[in-house]
Amino acid sequence: GDSVTQMEGPVTLSEEAFLTINCTYTATGYPSLFWYVQYPGEGLQLLLKATKADDKGSNKGFEATYRKETTSFHLEKGSVQVSDSAVYFCALSDPTSGAGNMLTFGGGTRLMVKP
Amino acid sequence: EAGVVQSPRYKIIEKKQPVAFWCNPISGHNTLYWYLQNLGQGPELLIRYENEEAVDDSQLPKDRFSAERLKGVDSTLKIQPAELGDSAVYLCASSRSGNTEAFFGQGTRLTVV
Repeated sequence: GDSVTQMEGPVTLSEEAFLTINCTYTATGYPSLFWYVQYPGEGLQLLLKATKADDKGSNKGFEATYRKETTSFHLEKGSVQVSDSAVYFCALSDPTSGAGNMLTFGGGTRLMVKP
Repeated sequence: EAGVVQSPRYKIIEKKQPVAFWCNPISGHNTLYWYLQNLGQGPELLIRYENEEAVDDSQLPKDRFSAERLKGVDSTLKIQPAELGDSAVYLCASSRSGNTEAFFGQGTRLTVV
């Protein structure tokens, strides 16, 4: 079945540091890829998405590029802020697999940004 | 526009007791999902509805879990009886049919003691 693997955390960075959170996936069809963010005490929020190969999703300074050849969707940000501290989830949706719009999530990566 | 609303936010119950969670999706969203999120893990799908029909409940432990979405809008997820291992966050999400972008509620954190 489909699966998502992301780097384990926590990731601890100083403010203004460069961020990369790795995500790779396994899918039988042609999935859409997502990054969700969960701030403390809040629900999951969609951060960005990409629906086909070579698409780049971007939002709030975060970017991720859908790489079909490496089955990856790594999250990057050039300069993190304390307010970016949260848990980040990589996910995929693969309607062609027969699972409809069900999201398959990775295990999450906690990011801690220190002033 | 209001987001996905879940209640209660927190629930503490003794094992073997019943518990129910409620979800009100975003208006116009035909697809509703219940996910289970264990501590330190990503959410996992329990059940997916298209309108009032449960189209994917393969991951729902049917011996103790049940769900309903009678009028194709609000949904209730029930556990009876609860076990210690059911302690987790139960997330509800909704989306428009055919659209992969799902919006999540804040979740209900269940603690079984």
